[in-house]
Amino acid sequence: ETGVTQSPTHLIKTRGQQVTLRCSSQSGHNTVSWYQQALGQGPQFIFQYYREEENGRGNFPPRFSGLQFPNYSSELNVNALELDDSALYLCASSLDSGRFDEQYFGPGTRLTVT
Amino acid sequence: AQSVTQPDIHITVSEGASLELRCNYSYGATPYLFWYVQSPGQGLQLLLKYFSGDTLVQGIKGFEAEFKRSQSSFNLRKPSVHWSDAAEYFCVLSGTYKYIFGTGTRLKVLA
Repeated sequence: ETGVTQSPTHLIKTRGQQVTLRCSSQSGHNTVSWYQQALGQGPQFIFQYYREEENGRGNFPPRFSGLQFPNYSSELNVNALELDDSALYLCASSLDSGRFDEQYFGPGTRLTVT
Repeated sequence: AQSVTQPDIHITVSEGASLELRCNYSYGATPYLFWYVQSPGQGLQLLLKYFSGDTLVQGIKGFEAEFKRSQSSFNLRKPSVHWSDAAEYFCVLSGTYKYIFGTGTRLKVLA
């Protein structure tokens, strides 16, 4: 069983640009969640996708969007990048979307916005 | 309200000394709690988890945590700290469809 993977590892973008981050969930996991971890802070929940539909969203603007595909891959898209978007982005997969479904985290993508 | 509080932002201990990291939670039902560790530039590693049953749970790397419902606490302990334990530690609550992270405690270990 492979773990959760994310790509790329690091990314540098310019303010105003758009970025796509990718995640590959564990096989059989129907749910993927995305978190943003700013420097010196704990991860903050962005949103969750369950069977390709958004299942819940944290306090993030609409320029943060996502997609989940049937092949257990998913994307986080961020439009109109701002300097404050610089952070480590973590995805986590779980079997289902209940709170007793343990989430398995990927290694993260570090995004730097200049 | 669903929240996690880690009162200590930084903790410094000497190698070989004991360690206790504090965590308090707020949740209206039976909590599902975790401790994760994150080394600089690394992802999250699960140390241990609690859902029900014994209030003292054992984890990896010699860590344990005690759940106290009356105090809404889930403190992490280790009897003898190693230099490699220096990292950021997060207490996490499984809330409604999301994990709720504490702000973290950064552990520094003195040789």
